Amino acid sequence: EVQLVESGGGLVKPGGSLRLSCAASGFTFSSYSMNWVRQAPGKGLEWVSSISSSSSYIYYADSVKGRFTISRDNAKNSLYLQMNSLRAEDTAVYYCAESPSGRYWGQGTLVTVSS
Amino acid sequence: DIVMTQTPLSLSVTPGQPASISCKSSQSLLHSDGKTYLYWYLQKPGQSPQLLIYEVSSRFSGVPDRFSGSGSGTDFTLKISRVEAEDVGVYYCMQGIHLPLTFGQGTKLEIK
Repeated sequence: EVQLVESGGGLVKPGGSLRLSCAASGFTFSSYSMNWVRQAPGKGLEWVSSISSSSSYIYYADSVKGRFTISRDNAKNSLYLQMNSLRAEDTAVYYCAESPSGRYWGQGTLVTVSS
Repeated sequence: DIVMTQTPLSLSVTPGQPASISCKSSQSLLHSDGKTYLYWYLQKPGQSPQLLIYEVSSRFSGVPDRFSGSGSGTDFTLKISRVEAEDVGVYYCMQGIHLPLTFGQGTKLEIK
C-alpha cells in the first residue's frame, strides 16, 4: 500500500522556522519527482515546490522563493521542506504529493504561523 | 502563470442525476510530446485530494467509470454520469504543463 506521511507541522511565530518531512512507502520513491502543495484554511490548493527524482531540478512558487528549501533523501525514502522566515500567510495544511500527476498524496500537516 | 477557471463554483445534484464541471485554462495545455497535462482531483470532506482523471480523460486506478473527462487545448470538462452520495466534496482541475502548477478555484458538489 502506498503511503505518504507528513510530519513536522505546528505553531510557530512569524519569522520562525519549521522543517516538514514526508515519509514514503509502498512505491519506488527514488523514481518519482515530488511536490509540496499547501491549502490555507477554507481555501483552495496552491503548489509550493517541486523536486525531481535525483534532486537535479528544483522549483519554487514565487511566494516562497528564498525562504523555503525542498530536498529529499532517496536512501531514506523521505522528502523535506525547510521553511524559514515564516509569515502569517504561510499558515496552511502542507501536503506532499507525487509529481506530476498527483496520484499519491499524504494526509497533510498543519502549519500555523501566529504570534 | 496559467490561470485555471472552473465553473460552476458550486453544484447541488440529486442522487442518480448527472453533473458537469468546466475548467478553462488561459493557455493551451497541449505539450509538444502530444500529451495534454490536465488533471482532475476530488477532495472529500476532511481528506486529502485524490486523483480522478489524468491527461484529460484517463481514469486513475479504482475510479468508478461514472467519472469521465474530456476536452482539448484550453477547454475541459469533468462529467459524473450518475451522482452518488460518496461523490460530495470539492473538485479541482490542475494544469501540469508549466510551472508554477496551478489549480482551479474548486467546485463544491453537494447532494440535494
